[in-house]
Amino acid sequence: DTGVSQDPRHKITKRGQNVTFRCDPISEHNRLYWYRQTLGQGPEFLTYFQNEAQLEKSRLLSDRFSAERPKGSFSTLEIQRTEQGDSAMYLCASSLAQGARDTQYFGPGTRLTVL
Amino acid sequence: AQKITQTQPGMFVQEKEAVTLDCTYDTSDPSYGLFWYKQPSSGEMIFLIYQGSYDQQNATEGRYSLNFQKARKSANLVISASQLGDSAMYFCAMREAMDTGRRALTFGSGTRLQVQP
Repeated sequence: DTGVSQDPRHKITKRGQNVTFRCDPISEHNRLYWYRQTLGQGPEFLTYFQNEAQLEKSRLLSDRFSAERPKGSFSTLEIQRTEQGDSAMYLCASSLAQGARDTQYFGPGTRLTVL
Repeated sequence: AQKITQTQPGMFVQEKEAVTLDCTYDTSDPSYGLFWYKQPSSGEMIFLIYQGSYDQQNATEGRYSLNFQKARKSANLVISASQLGDSAMYFCAMREAMDTGRRALTFGSGTRLQVQP
């Protein structure tokens, strides 16, 4: 069983550039989540999809951030006009909508550094 | 107020001994779930154990058990027979309002556990 995969694992960019990250969930999982984790902190929720519908968004998801899951499988997270404060680990998770527990399984993350 | 509080930034334990990692939470929702995750230096968050607010018994998963005290709003993780591979960051997380379909997890700031030989 393949876990959640994320690409790229590391990204270095200059301030003002756009970046896009990809997440491939566990194959049968219909829910997909994005979180951001800064150094020394726990992950912070950004957004969540059920199939292709984006159902929940955090106020952390500013206008410069957009996430898509066009066919209900993989998802992309784009950050436009990056700022140094965007430097963080971006984590993707997926879950299977089954019961109350609905455990989220995480990928290895994409570490973004904005210079 | 913090939703999830982990008061121990770092903990040391001798190999083969048991260790308790503290977690307190704050919610007014009657339906919620509590999760523990392990994050090794590689960065991936690994699910360990789950406790639902309506569960009558404390959750156990192998060497992991959860000491759930609902009235005190605490959900401490107990790791028995510590191994060197247990050295990692440990995060407590909560999902509130589970009966309304909310899915976001709120994480604490974590506890770094170091297992000494």
